[in-house]
Amino acid sequence: DTAVSQTPKYLVTQMGNDKSIKCEQNLGHDTMYWYKQDSKKFLKIMFSYNNKELIINETVPNRFSPKSPDKAHLNLHINSLELGDSAVYFCASSQDLGGRAYGYTFGSGTRLTVV
Amino acid sequence: RKEVEQDPGPFNVPEGATVAFNCTYSNSASQSFFWYRQDCRKEPKLLMSVYSSGNEDGRFTAQLNRASQYISLLIRDSKLSDSATYLCVVNRRSGNQFYFGTGTSLTVIP
Repeated sequence: DTAVSQTPKYLVTQMGNDKSIKCEQNLGHDTMYWYKQDSKKFLKIMFSYNNKELIINETVPNRFSPKSPDKAHLNLHINSLELGDSAVYFCASSQDLGGRAYGYTFGSGTRLTVV
Repeated sequence: RKEVEQDPGPFNVPEGATVAFNCTYSNSASQSFFWYRQDCRKEPKLLMSVYSSGNEDGRFTAQLNRASQYISLLIRDSKLSDSATYLCVVNRRSGNQFYFGTGTSLTVIP
């Protein structure tokens, strides 16, 4: 059973399109995150939700909009895609807020390529 | 200054060697520390937490030096399967997110 699952695994799309990435966790965790890993492999937080409530919203263009219908799901919608959005997007979850006690569990990532 | 800094490597070591990675963090309020491992084109996976007194898990030993604000990871008797990128991760006392280093690349050579 996959603990944190993301779909799709690969996404190739043209500039200007709108796309969504879905994430679901079956661990019973309260907190979920979206991280972006760029071409230099640097992982940077985008959003964090705790029990469906937005906790962290880093400096991310407002073309990116997270949605958490329940605490097991955190989806990411991206409008008007740009070349610079190409990256690997990782969803993660943690048992406690911030993952201080037990760390994060990551999904397998969505490799987004904008052409 | 970056929150977490690591030597990117690459470290190329023969099987059986001992290798050590260091990582420095800038915020003295950092409270939680971890090492994650990331294989090529895969997600990061928790390797081990780092405790104040230092801790060991098989061939892996993690240490924390709060005074100098660095953590280390020692791998003994390297295996081919240890080849990966090792990510240093910290969290602040009042923080709700992880800060990741850019990772140190390790290749274990037969």
